[in-house]
Amino acid sequence: TQLLEQSPQFLSIQEGENLTVYCNSSSVFSSLQWYRQEPGEGPVLLVTVVTGGEVKKLKRLTFQFGDARKDSSLHITAAQPGDTGLYLCNEKLTFGTGTRLTIIP
Amino acid sequence: ETGVTQTPRHLVMGMTNKKSLKCEQHLGHNAMYWYKQSAKKPLELMFVYSLEERVENNSVPSRFSPECPNSSHLFLHLHTLQPEDSALYLCASSQDGPWGGEQFFGPGTRLTVL
Repeated sequence: TQLLEQSPQFLSIQEGENLTVYCNSSSVFSSLQWYRQEPGEGPVLLVTVVTGGEVKKLKRLTFQFGDARKDSSLHITAAQPGDTGLYLCNEKLTFGTGTRLTIIP
Repeated sequence: ETGVTQTPRHLVMGMTNKKSLKCEQHLGHNAMYWYKQSAKKPLELMFVYSLEERVENNSVPSRFSPECPNSSHLFLHLHTLQPEDSALYLCASSQDGPWGGEQFFGPGTRLTVL
């Protein structure tokens, strides 16, 4: 069974700072998705990456897929309180261990 | 209603009770899922249905019994639960089958077992 490890598990930073969270796998991804879950809601898809080395941008969020397709990162520039939530990476039916992000105003 | 809805949003039950969770998707999708979310495991797959047939049962105890009467509805029947079953139960659906693609989640049912 594939294991998706995310780091850090918890992250609390001030508004305006930059941050990066990571997702690592024990095996090669066919493709990878990132979801964000806000309190009281279900996860919502942010992006899907498919090709090794791929970089996708969604406003202040930059998603990178590792060349070997065994890892991925999510970088947030100038974090806002609205970025607060649980970030989950996912391949097919397996979700990662999650990073719980809190942005302090 | 749009998207994926779940009822009830909150449920408190004793260990001897029988209750059911309901999920309805208004998206025309052909796959539906139950996940368990707890402090120990952020998102743990329980069951997958594709075209109303169960295609995945992730070693879930028999005190959880799923039912998919049609492609829009999914139920999770609960009986003789344990306190460690207290968690957020999330339903999701997707188009193009269960093996990839975007999953659309409901808001979840927060279950407390006393």
